[in-house]
Amino acid sequence: SAVISQKPSRDICQRGTSLTIQCQVDSQVTMMFWYRQQPGQSLTLIATANQGSEATYESGFVIDKFPISRPNLTFSTLTVSNMSPEDSSIYLCSVRVTDTQYFGPGTRLTVL
Amino acid sequence: DQQVKQNSPSLSVQEGRISILNCDYTNSMFDYFLWYKKYPAEGPTFLISISSIKDKNEDGRFTVFLNKSAKHLSLHIVPSQPGDSAVYFCAASVAGTASKLTFGTGTRLQVTL
Repeated sequence: SAVISQKPSRDICQRGTSLTIQCQVDSQVTMMFWYRQQPGQSLTLIATANQGSEATYESGFVIDKFPISRPNLTFSTLTVSNMSPEDSSIYLCSVRVTDTQYFGPGTRLTVL
Repeated sequence: DQQVKQNSPSLSVQEGRISILNCDYTNSMFDYFLWYKKYPAEGPTFLISISSIKDKNEDGRFTVFLNKSAKHLSLHIVPSQPGDSAVYFCAASVAGTASKLTFGTGTRLQVTL
């Protein structure tokens, strides 16, 4: 398994600003993922972040809005840029270990 | 287009009885399935998985059944305990790996005393 921490756990932000979310894993992993869970919705994959290469974004998500860094095998950041109230969601990072994905506790973002 | 569906948004079961949570999928390329449990203010916790080469996988109180022809899977919890009260998500992926998961909409399970 893997132990994953995220910072911040929650934040309230003003529209037009940006927030960077950090994800730290207790072991080296190749594949990290970022998901979003909008209110009352399921989890939706934003992008796959592999160390040493550009993140791969899913349909509907773009790098300018959600830039991702993956400087090493234990850490990643997701930035939510130029935020609007529609970005209010829980953002979760996850890692793949063998045949399972393990999730962090999530970051609850509210945009006013 | 919701490729993974959990048609029951909620389920209430008495303690000690069996809980059955259902999940349907439409994408025939999905060949690996996982179930997660989620408490409020926490991330999803992995419960159990199944590959399409199997039709059943068991782990303690949790059993997952897969019916490929019907594109249907179910999670059985026996016996149900109050601590099982949570939202349960099924998730699916292709290529037999736990990458790029597509999640269902979730079922809220309430286990009553």
